[in-house]
Amino acid sequence: DVQVTQSPSSLSVSVGDRVTITCQASQGIKNYLNWYQQKPGKAPKLLIYDASTLETGVPSRFSGNGSGTHFSFTISSLQPEDIATYYCQQFDSLPCSFGQGTKLEIK
Amino acid sequence: QVQLVQSGAEVKKPGASVKVSCKASGYTFSSNYLHWVRQAPGQGLEWMGIIHPTGGNTDYAQKFHDRVTMTRDTSTSTVFMELSSLRSEDTAMYYCARSRPSGSEAFDIWGQGTMVTVSS
Repeated sequence: DVQVTQSPSSLSVSVGDRVTITCQASQGIKNYLNWYQQKPGKAPKLLIYDASTLETGVPSRFSGNGSGTHFSFTISSLQPEDIATYYCQQFDSLPCSFGQGTKLEIK
Repeated sequence: QVQLVQSGAEVKKPGASVKVSCKASGYTFSSNYLHWVRQAPGQGLEWMGIIHPTGGNTDYAQKFHDRVTMTRDTSTSTVFMELSSLRSEDTAMYYCARSRPSGSEAFDIWGQGTMVTVSS
């Protein structure tokens, strides 16, 4: 099974900050890596799929990069509504798996 | 609009079973795999399994394979997830999610979640 290690687990941020989260897969997964945003009490929301493709309607301040085993997710200029927990997910093969999550908190 | 609507919250005793439903609408039911993901309070996301709506083919995470059964009713565009031999550690929010038939099978539509509480 493919394991996904996400870091950091939490991040203290300010509005306007550039925020970067990374995920490392235990083996090569091509570009089969997705990123989700989850706000308290809500279902996750797809932001980026296939490592770098922005889901329709998602603001362009969100971006993703990477292939193989190393991936990154960036918010170019954090907005107040971006405070949430973010998860990566690999789906190169079953079972798919999620990273442990990164919780953004206001500094 | 495209949506997945799940059944309501459940409270079960240890050892019991729970069956959660997920009704799809706004798209062709047969076109997308459906998944179940759970999230214990304050914890991360955990994939449980997948079902194909047309053939009913399933694949379960090893952790759940002897306790979970996923089924579907094509006449109502509904999938079901039944978890048996419940224990306190199964207390969680259970989500169904649709995956898009593209390279990374991203989960583009999610249900609202069903809270299952296991308590004596």
